[in-house]
Amino acid sequence: AQKVTQAQTEISVVEKEDVTLDCVYETRDTTYYLFWYKQPPSGELVFLIRRNSFDEQNEISGRYSWNFQKSTSSFNFTITASQVVDSAVYFCALWMTTDSWGKLQFGAGTQVVVTP
Amino acid sequence: GAVVSQHPSWVICKSGTSVKIECRSLDFQATTMFWYRQFPKQSLMLMATSNEGSKATYEQGVEKDKFLINHASLTLSTLTVTSAHPEDSSFYICSARDPFGGSYEQYFGPGTRLTVT
Repeated sequence: AQKVTQAQTEISVVEKEDVTLDCVYETRDTTYYLFWYKQPPSGELVFLIRRNSFDEQNEISGRYSWNFQKSTSSFNFTITASQVVDSAVYFCALWMTTDSWGKLQFGAGTQVVVTP
Repeated sequence: GAVVSQHPSWVICKSGTSVKIECRSLDFQATTMFWYRQFPKQSLMLMATSNEGSKATYEQGVEKDKFLINHASLTLSTLTVTSAHPEDSSFYICSARDPFGGSYEQYFGPGTRLTVT
C-alpha cells in the first residue's frame, strides 16, 4: 500500500515558537516525489516544496526547513519563529506512479494555529 | 508560474439541479487535469483524472454518471455535478499537469465551493 500519514491533527503555538509537522510515507516505488502544501483559510493550495527520493539533502527556505530521511520514511517540516500568517492546514503528499500518469496521495493534514 | 483558474469560485444550487465547474489553464496547455474533492476538515481526495480528447478515469467509489467530466480542449476541463444533493456540498479543486515538467508537476486552481440546499 502507498500512503501518507500525518499523525498530528492540530498544533497550537504562540507566535515566535518553532513548530514541526511530521509526515511518514509508505511506498514500494524506488523513485517517488514528496510534497508539502499549505492551505490557508481561503482554501487555495500553496506549493511549498517538492523532494525526490534520490535527494536526501535537507532544505531551508527562509523560516521553513525540511528534513527528509529515507531510512525512517519521513519528510518532516519545521516552521521557525512562527507567525500568525502561518496559521493554515499543511498537507504532505506523495506522488504515486501506480498508472501511466500517476497521482498525488495527500495526508490527512495538520492544522497549525499560531496565536499572538 | 503557471496559472490555473476555476469558475465559479462558489456556487449555491438547489437539490436536484446540476452545476458545472470550469477549470482552465491560462498560460499553458494541459493534456491532463485532475479533479479533487475536499469535505470540511478533511483532506483532498482525487476524484478523477481527465485527459484531453478521451474519457476521464474515475477513482474507485466516484460515480461517473453523477460527476461528468469533459476535457474538450487543452485549456479547459469541466466537472458537472448532476442532480446535486446536500451531500455533494464540498470544495472542488482542479489541477493541471505541467506539460514541460515531470509527470508529477501540477498546478492547482483556487477551488470552487459548492453548497447544495
